[in-house]
Amino acid sequence: QQQVKQSPQSLIVQKGGISIINCAYENTAFDYFPWYQQFPGKGPALLIAIRPDVSEKKEGRFTISFNKSAKQFSLHIMDSQPGDSATYFCAASAGAGKSTFGDGTTLTVKP
Amino acid sequence: GAVVSQHPSRVICKSGTSVKIECRSLDFQATTMFWYRQFPKQSLMLMATSNEGSKATYEQGVEKDKFLINHASLTLSTLTVTSAHPEDSSFYICSARVGGASDTQYFGPGTRLTVL
Repeated sequence: QQQVKQSPQSLIVQKGGISIINCAYENTAFDYFPWYQQFPGKGPALLIAIRPDVSEKKEGRFTISFNKSAKQFSLHIMDSQPGDSATYFCAASAGAGKSTFGDGTTLTVKP
Repeated sequence: GAVVSQHPSRVICKSGTSVKIECRSLDFQATTMFWYRQFPKQSLMLMATSNEGSKATYEQGVEKDKFLINHASLTLSTLTVTSAHPEDSSFYICSARVGGASDTQYFGPGTRLTVL
């Protein structure tokens, strides 16, 4: 049973465009929702994270939108750049418990 | 920011040998460390959770006698793949969580294991 469903599996965006990746979760006990960026051959790096007490969090070009009632959250990358081309993982955890990861989205930003 | 290192970054070994991978939190104390395995183009698969000074908690289907985890201090955890076989070839990644109420995990750069 997959507790965090991520879509799309892959995404191609033109430079300057907006990249949007979505995640849906099932466990209402989840209270921490991070997004990670991973380049080939490297470990994931924390990009941005949100807790359910806010509906949106923005850090530079990256924004998380959170919909608690729908149990969904999404990552928006504004003004996407070729350097943003990577695999993105959403995750969710409850308290100090282990994280559940989405399957990942491979983003390609074309110049 | 918090930095986690892994050593070695890549290792090639012969079938039947054992390989040890180290994971260190360089600038913070990690009460909990996690070990993941990642296959090409797939997500991270949690293998085990280790807490300093106690036995690791393994996920279902992970052989604890094959993947030995030791969390000897608040800054060091090791994963030993014993009697490695070609099917153990994978990308192994550790992460460390800052103590207290924070849920943030910081990942190491990963170790590419190839078993011949």
